[in-house]
Amino acid sequence: EAGVTQFPSHSVIEKGQTVTLRCDPISGHDNLYWYRRVMGKEIKFLLHFVKESKQDESGMPNNRFLAERTGGTYSTLKVQPAELEDSGVYFCASSHWTGGLHNEQFFGPGTRLTVL
Amino acid sequence: AQSVTQLGSHVSVSEGALVLLRCNYSSSVPPYLFWYVQYPNQGLQLLLKYTSAATLVKGINGFEAEFKKSETSFHLTKPSAHMSDAAEYFCAVSRGGSEKLVFGKGTKLTVNP
Repeated sequence: EAGVTQFPSHSVIEKGQTVTLRCDPISGHDNLYWYRRVMGKEIKFLLHFVKESKQDESGMPNNRFLAERTGGTYSTLKVQPAELEDSGVYFCASSHWTGGLHNEQFFGPGTRLTVL
Repeated sequence: AQSVTQLGSHVSVSEGALVLLRCNYSSSVPPYLFWYVQYPNQGLQLLLKYTSAATLVKGINGFEAEFKKSETSFHLTKPSAHMSDAAEYFCAVSRGGSEKLVFGKGTKLTVNP
């Protein structure tokens, strides 16, 4: 079974440009999460999809960030326009939706975004 | 609100020595607690988790952690460090189900020969 994949692995852009990150979750996982780690800080939650619906977007920094999950499969996270403080590693994770005690989140390798 | 504090951003041990990585949490509800490991250029991998069953939890690669409610701690240990244990370790807390994870800042473990 393939794991969570993310594309690209690295992205270097200039301030003001647009970048789109993609996440492909494990097949069959209804839950999809985006997290971000800014250098020197903790990994922070951005948002959570259940299928194509946004369940929790309380961690989204501002309206320059737009996340979508068309058809409940892969997800994209667009940053427009990018600012210097958006630099960091963006992680995607997925899990089953079972309504159980805990659904283990499986993480992708991350996308390292550098805004110059 | 939930939070996690990991004491020590860098820990260095000798090969064969005890590994102890500290984690304290704050949670208004019974927590679910996790340790993740990140090897260079890889994603986060779950080491072990506490989900209100046994307080001593065994994970992969010889790691274990003990949930101590009175101390609000969930420290990670391994009796004998191996060179391959060098990585960054993250403690995280969740309210369970499909809830988001709240992470600590991470601890980088260095293992010296």
